[in-house]
Amino acid sequence: DAMVIQNPRYQVTQFGKPVTLSCSQTLNHNVMYWYQQKSSQAPKLLFHYYDKDFNNEADTPDNFQSRRPNTSFCFLDIRSPGLGDAAMYLCATSRDRVDTQYFGPGTRLTVL
Amino acid sequence: EDQVTQSPEALRLQEGESSSLNCSYTVSGLRGLFWYRQDPGKGPEFLFTLYSAGEEKEKERLKATLTKKESFLHITAPKPEDSATYLCAVQAPDNAGNMLTFGGGTRLMVKP
Repeated sequence: DAMVIQNPRYQVTQFGKPVTLSCSQTLNHNVMYWYQQKSSQAPKLLFHYYDKDFNNEADTPDNFQSRRPNTSFCFLDIRSPGLGDAAMYLCATSRDRVDTQYFGPGTRLTVL
Repeated sequence: EDQVTQSPEALRLQEGESSSLNCSYTVSGLRGLFWYRQDPGKGPEFLFTLYSAGEEKEKERLKATLTKKESFLHITAPKPEDSATYLCAVQAPDNAGNMLTFGGGTRLMVKP
């Protein structure tokens, strides 16, 4: 089945230690998104790629970076995680910006 | 600025007790309204997209409807496995290139 895959499902890191989260998709969608979701809150968009075109949300901290080396993969890099960055990180894809977004299972990040 | 408000924040039902969840929105030029289901610790699962007032969509015990100001998710004879958080999101051309604006969600608990 075509799907959105995120690895790892659970990630524990130490305060200030860089961490990379991975997302892959078999849907061949043009757009890939990264969201941050804290407990009992709605998902918050961090940035998205339309093909290779990177689009950063205005309030996304500089501590968060992203890479999309090819159509299938997208990475979220957190350069110096703080305690406030502990959250669920969701990857989503859509065929185009106006189409339905399909989410992966998420990566739960814990910062010690 | 686009706004999405979901009510109630939490809803407890007995198995078989039908009810409705509300999603009120303020947006200039709605392109689409999306309903997702999210289980604890997992990514949102797509349920429905509605595009125009008067549109209805059904899936098993769920039925989504849309007016010019709000959408309802009707749950008929719910079962315990319907327990989840239901998220509503709107998409509009004026919102940074059709990005989704999410509501805060309704947490549904169905007791056997």
